[in-house]
Amino acid sequence: QQPVQSPQAVILREGEDAVINCSSSKALYSVHWYRQKHGEAPVFLMILLKGGEQKGHEKISASFNEKKQQSSLYLTASQLSYSGTYFCGTDIIQGAQKLVFGQGTRLTINP
Amino acid sequence: DTAVSQTPKYLVTQMGNDKSIKCEQNLGHDTMYWYKQDSKKFLKIMFSYNNKELIINETVPNRFSPKSPDKAHLNLHINSLELGDSAVYFCASSRRQASNTGELFFGEGSRLTVL
Repeated sequence: QQPVQSPQAVILREGEDAVINCSSSKALYSVHWYRQKHGEAPVFLMILLKGGEQKGHEKISASFNEKKQQSSLYLTASQLSYSGTYFCGTDIIQGAQKLVFGQGTRLTINP
Repeated sequence: DTAVSQTPKYLVTQMGNDKSIKCEQNLGHDTMYWYKQDSKKFLKIMFSYNNKELIINETVPNRFSPKSPDKAHLNLHINSLELGDSAVYFCASSRRQASNTGELFFGEGSRLTVL
């Protein structure tokens, strides 16, 4: 049931772009994206609902391909503040209030 | 004014002891959760409550007993602590949605170390 994220880790220079993928073996009702900095709590970035929409948050956006049961997070012109571990969370049971997280992708941005 | 607050932030205890973690949210949400994050950063859902009622129990050992006295509070009591219980425990809350989990607001976490 746990979604699979790829890659597991990314190292970038400031200003470069990154894509983080999240795949599920089950049909999805929603996909969430969170960022967690070291020693802190995860922080919500965005939610994508069933329907194949794309959302954006500053230079961070995401897509949701319902048919492929996949979501991708796009980080454009990365900033040092983007460093952290990114988690996707998925709802596979409608209305169950059970968000299951992927294993995380560690993103390091160097100057 | 902290939205989701947990106490204590750190617990260090011996195997076999019992400990409790408290969580309170002031966001007016109706759903609260406990997640466990292990040393590999894997975030695993343990329980979710909606309006004080248990709705998800993810095959967590009986030694873990959540309790929700009202919809703003969700506590976690752990009996007979084991080494494998060492982790960071996150409380979270959300507004219930019809078909999906709402945006999760996490507390700062409670780091439990069992010696």
